[in-house]
Amino acid sequence: QQQVKQSPQSLIVQKGGISIINCAYENTAFDYFPWYQQFPGKGPALLIAIRPDVSEKKEGRFTISFNKSAKQFSLHIMDSQPGDSATYFCAASAYNKLSFGAGTTVTVRA
Amino acid sequence: ETGVTQSPTHLIKTRGQQVTLRCSSQSGHNTVSWYQQALGQGPQFIFQYYREEENGRGNFPPRFSGLQFPNYSSELNVNALELDDSALYLCASSPFFANTEAFFGQGTRLTVV
Repeated sequence: QQQVKQSPQSLIVQKGGISIINCAYENTAFDYFPWYQQFPGKGPALLIAIRPDVSEKKEGRFTISFNKSAKQFSLHIMDSQPGDSATYFCAASAYNKLSFGAGTTVTVRA
Repeated sequence: ETGVTQSPTHLIKTRGQQVTLRCSSQSGHNTVSWYQQALGQGPQFIFQYYREEENGRGNFPPRFSGLQFPNYSSELNVNALELDDSALYLCASSPFFANTEAFFGQGTRLTVV
């Protein structure tokens, strides 16, 4: 069963716009929540990550928001660029083992 | 570049055959995990190795097996290949004593015909 639910499946955003991807989980043993970016034919690349004692983390144009009580977290991509077009996966880790969401394909239109 | 290297990058096998995939972990990382990523899906955890011992296994049958060597490199072996085993196989290395960054290799694309 999918331990991490991710939405939307795909999204299209204009250059300079904001992309928002949402994830939800049930297992309270998860205590590390990374986001990965994957280009076709490549392995996932770690983008940004958060631990549940923090409600928000920002790195450059990428921000994670985390709501522990709701067991939800989201990725915001600000000022989206064509080079951001990729598939994004949220994940949750327990005992160093990752459970991934199904992925969101982001297309940034110039 | 993550420093995690996998070989081969692509291979084609016939149903019923056996295959071995290889992974060299990032320097200083003693834990290696293997994931299977079917087309259009997120990676699924196969198993993890730490200090040459299996340290957790996902929902995969025993025909999926692995090894870790003293230099922390690892192998994934799949016996009796099935068509559904066609996928991208990913290796990730990370330090053990924390839920921290896992760095993935570029993957091996396995096609079973």
